[in-house]
Amino acid sequence: DAKTTQPTSMDCAEGRAANLPCNHSTISGNEYVYWYRQIHSQGPQYIIHGLKNNETNEMASLIITEDRKSSTLILPHATLRDTAVYYCIVGRGSTLGRLYFGRGTQLTVWP
Amino acid sequence: NAGVTQTPKFQVLKTGQSMTLQCAQDMNHEYMSWYRQDPGMGLRLIHYSVGAGITDQGEVPNGYNVSRSTTEDFPLRLLSAAPSQTSVYFCASSYRQSSGNTIYFGEGSWLTVV
Repeated sequence: DAKTTQPTSMDCAEGRAANLPCNHSTISGNEYVYWYRQIHSQGPQYIIHGLKNNETNEMASLIITEDRKSSTLILPHATLRDTAVYYCIVGRGSTLGRLYFGRGTQLTVWP
Repeated sequence: NAGVTQTPKFQVLKTGQSMTLQCAQDMNHEYMSWYRQDPGMGLRLIHYSVGAGITDQGEVPNGYNVSRSTTEDFPLRLLSAAPSQTSVYFCASSYRQSSGNTIYFGEGSWLTVV
């Protein structure tokens, strides 16, 4: 599975958009981009995933570049409860639970 | 619908002791896995299962055994605990979707080996 590179930490003002980047330059054609987050020491929580097209759900938007070598997770109106470690992961649909996590980005939302 | 349930939540073991971390899911998911997370690190895959009776190794399988006799349960066994196995353990389950897959995690089991 392709590896990802994320900044170690970022911060964002409450109410503003949080844009979390991820590089995955070795991604292959059948690999998806997944985003999970982990609040404090809880179990990771699924946010969103995509293959080629941009995706949006009630939590966030995922923007994938045309060459698929990088992506950005957007939290449109960050709240204090969005403070967490965010993981960008790439994997094939067939891996089904065998995703490989890196260290992620610590996002801190401040008042 | 409880999702993924792990027990115990906290456990202290002495070096050399054995124990089993329990994991159960009530979503009828085919796929289950165990991860460990050390302080300041991401999650690392220990073992996974793609269905009852089928298991395989992940990144860090040494010192751990698993079995999958039912769809619902996926216990993780530590045969002879070592201080290096002090960690937080997460069980997860998922199912095949038409596009990608979503993994559901338990709340974690904190294990300390002294």
